[in-house]
Amino acid sequence: SQTIHQWPATLVQPVGSPLSLECTVEGTSNPNLYWYRQAAGRGLQLLFYSVGIGQISSEVPQNLSASRPQDRQFILSSKKLLLSDSGFYLCAWHYRGQETQYFGPGTRLLVL
Amino acid sequence: DQQVKQNSPSLSVQEGRISILNCDYTNSMFDYFLWYKKYPAEGPTFLISISSIKDKNEDGRFTVFLNKSAKHLSLHIVPSQPGDSAVYFCAASAPGGADGLTFGKGTHLIIQP
Repeated sequence: SQTIHQWPATLVQPVGSPLSLECTVEGTSNPNLYWYRQAAGRGLQLLFYSVGIGQISSEVPQNLSASRPQDRQFILSSKKLLLSDSGFYLCAWHYRGQETQYFGPGTRLLVL
Repeated sequence: DQQVKQNSPSLSVQEGRISILNCDYTNSMFDYFLWYKKYPAEGPTFLISISSIKDKNEDGRFTVFLNKSAKHLSLHIVPSQPGDSAVYFCAASAPGGADGLTFGKGTHLIIQP
């Protein structure tokens, strides 16, 4: 069966510090991978998606970036965090050719 | 511009009764619709989906109805149970689906005993 991992589960970071959130998927190959953010009182916003190693598409201009160094690994990064980066970050995947996405447990980020 | 709208931030339903969650969309390119359930501090869990070629899909206590002409879908939960208390997100996808889902802001369903 397929599982998706995210870490860390919770993170408190000062403004201006760097960020690295990691997501890995097990039990499948060539998945499409996604990063979403849920800010307080808002829905889920798509940040990045990737259809393959090294292929990243950005949906929202921001100070975040994403990378996919391996087939089942998706990393969300920032060089300098802003207060507005606080939120709940979710990684998701789905099989190629299918549309149902499956989500990881999420990382709660608080920027102070 | 919000392409997927859930106009009710919260909904309170008595245990055993029917819960009806509504969702409207504006993008006529959407052809696949999903409902997710989310507990606090957890990732969303997939509940049920429907393709635009159908107008109804049923899975146990959950039924999703799609009205394409009105660009409206709804999720029916019957009978409602205490464990159904959660935030429910409606999501939509355009053909191919590779570029992600568009989510509504969610409806917080509260099942009262």
